[in-house]
Amino acid sequence: DGGITQSPKYLFRKEGQNVTLSCEQNLNHDAMYWYRQDPGQGLRLIYYSQIVNDFQKGDIAEGYSVSREKKESFPLTVTSAQKNPTAFYLCASRSRGGTGELFFGEGSRLTVL
Amino acid sequence: GQQVMQIPQYQHVQEGEDFTTYCNSSTTLSNIQWYKQRPGGHPVFLIQLVKSGEVKKQKRLTFQFGEAKKNSSLHITATQTTDVGTYFCAGPGGTSYGKLTFGQGTILTVHP
Repeated sequence: DGGITQSPKYLFRKEGQNVTLSCEQNLNHDAMYWYRQDPGQGLRLIYYSQIVNDFQKGDIAEGYSVSREKKESFPLTVTSAQKNPTAFYLCASRSRGGTGELFFGEGSRLTVL
Repeated sequence: GQQVMQIPQYQHVQEGEDFTTYCNSSTTLSNIQWYKQRPGGHPVFLIQLVKSGEVKKQKRLTFQFGEAKKNSSLHITATQTTDVGTYFCAGPGGTSYGKLTFGQGTILTVHP
């Protein structure tokens, strides 16, 4: 069945290490998104991509990087430059038509030790 | 840049009471979406409003889009324990197509 798969679900890393979060969708959606969720702060947009080989910075892109080499995949790398990386990361996708609703993955919880 | 503010941040109600969350934008929105996130889960789309003054209902949930298309509300009648979660509004983020900006969310707790 169609959907968005994020992995890993839980991840621990030491300070100074880069980590890559995977996001794969089989919904044939053009647009994909990465959001960060912290308690009491809602969802903040990190990066988004509307088409393969193109992506734009969101509101909090510093310390993160992405790639969009395939339509189905939009991995997020949390670099050591991200000062406070412990958070819940949500990937989403949507099609250009219809209501434009976002379909979310189940999220990846990153903890920096 | 465009901001979407949502209030209240928290709401505790007794089961059976009504609940309302409000969303305000600093700019006119072409549309607004609402999402619900259950505890430990991920956001799930509820509805999209497009027209000025639009009102839509889903069972006990009533969604409104303001006449000026700068504010919106979600009202739940006679809350149930299954309504527990965080409710988010989201609007297009400025002129860039595809960008979607979320409000901070309202965390609803329903006491049985």
